[in-house]
Amino acid sequence: AQSVSQHNHHVILSEAASLELGCNYSYGGTVNLFWYVQYPGQHLQLLLKYFSGDPLVKGIKGFEAEFIKSKFSFNLRKPSVQWSDTAEYFCAVGGTGGFKTIFGAGTRLFVKA
Amino acid sequence: DSGVTQTPKHLITATGQRVTLRCSPRSGDLSVYWYQQSLDQGLQFLIQYYNGEERAKGNILERFSAQQFPDLHSELNLSSLELGDSALYFCASSVEGRGGNEQFFGPGTRLTVL
Repeated sequence: AQSVSQHNHHVILSEAASLELGCNYSYGGTVNLFWYVQYPGQHLQLLLKYFSGDPLVKGIKGFEAEFIKSKFSFNLRKPSVQWSDTAEYFCAVGGTGGFKTIFGAGTRLFVKA
Repeated sequence: DSGVTQTPKHLITATGQRVTLRCSPRSGDLSVYWYQQSLDQGLQFLIQYYNGEERAKGNILERFSAQQFPDLHSELNLSSLELGDSALYFCASSVEGRGGNEQFFGPGTRLTVL
């Protein structure tokens, strides 16, 4: 079955700490991978995406993610988080040959000032 | 601003009632998605339309229905409302509606069922 698993539902970090949010997926075929972010009271917006090429993808606000095909993973990282990174982060997977995009359950990140 | 608009922003109604949520996609986008977001269920995909036709169905209840009109706007109809239907309902749009497309989300409609 197609699925996306985000390992942590809640993460609490202090400012300047490093962040890594795990995402694993199960999806047959070639995939495109996304991380979306939802700031408090706002709608989801794209943080970064992987379509092909360099498996290390850089997004907005200093975020990056690495696609490891052999591990079916697309983990999100940031070397030093800020209070303004407090948000919910969603990993999503879409098949290039189909129409479905599957979202993970989300990880709520709280950054202490 | 994603370019996706949703109305109304807030809706308060009673159990058993019926409501209609409206979504206008970004200019040029042919596909519209509906999602339900609640604290206990997280983000749930409901249904997707592409150029007026239903393309994919998710965890949409039989009491819920949707359609996409010729001008590409979409409406989500929720009927026989229950307390558990209280949630944030997001609409998103994408160019082609393929799994590889980025989705652009609207600001959402917060539905409260009393």
